[in-house]
Amino acid sequence: EAGVAQSPRYKIIEKRQSVAFWCNPISGHATLYWYQQILGQGPKLLIQFQNNGVVDDSQLPKDRFSAERLKGVDSTLKIQPAKLEDSAVYLCASSLYGLGATEAFFGQGTRLTVV
Amino acid sequence: KNEVEQSPQNLTAQEGEFITINCSYSVGISALHWLQQHPGGGIVSLFMLSSGKKKHGRLIATINIQEKHSSLHITASHPRDSAVYICAVAPYSGGGADGLTFGKGTHLIIQP
Repeated sequence: EAGVAQSPRYKIIEKRQSVAFWCNPISGHATLYWYQQILGQGPKLLIQFQNNGVVDDSQLPKDRFSAERLKGVDSTLKIQPAKLEDSAVYLCASSLYGLGATEAFFGQGTRLTVV
Repeated sequence: KNEVEQSPQNLTAQEGEFITINCSYSVGISALHWLQQHPGGGIVSLFMLSSGKKKHGRLIATINIQEKHSSLHITASHPRDSAVYICAVAPYSGGGADGLTFGKGTHLIIQP
C-alpha cells in the first residue's frame, strides 16, 4: 500500500513569510496528525483530525498556525507569519482507527528552515 | 500530561549482542508504540501494544500495564539495527484525542 505522502520535503523561507505543507494519508485512515519535531527533541503534537473534524488542537499556536483536512482526506498545515523558532521538521501521521487502537504511519516529513 | 522516560539514551554494542531498551510512563494509557528512526530517514512503526508481548522477527516488545513499563528487545543484533528507537504512548481519551507523547529516544549503534 502507498504510504503517507508529504510535500515539500524541504523549504527555506525568511521570517515573517508564510508557508504551507501538504499531507496525503493512507487511504481509508480516519485519523491524521501533524507533529513538530525541533532538532534534538521528540515530536510534539500540533493537531489531530478525525475524518474532517478537529479532535485536538490544544498545542497549536493558533495566532500563526492553521490546519485543515478537507473532505476527510488530505490535509494542509500553514504558518503565517513564520518565526525563527518555527524551524523544525513537520511530520504528518495517519492511523486507521486512532493511535489507541491501531499503529501509526508517518510521512517523511517537511524540513522547514526559517532565516 | 504523561511523562515518558527511556533508558538508556545511548547504547553501543557489538554485533550479535542481545539489546534491551526500557520505557516507563507516568499515567495510564490506551496503547504504547515502539518506533524506529534511521539517520535522515522517516519514522517507522515497529509495534503497538496494549498488553502482553509481541514478536516480529528478531524484535520482541513487552508491556506491564500495572508497572507502567515496556521493554524492546533485539536478539542477535546487526549493524543495520543501528537507529534511534522511540517509545511513545497514546492516552486514554473518551473524546478521541489520542496523539502520541514521545520519549526522547535511544540512540543504538551496533558495531560489526
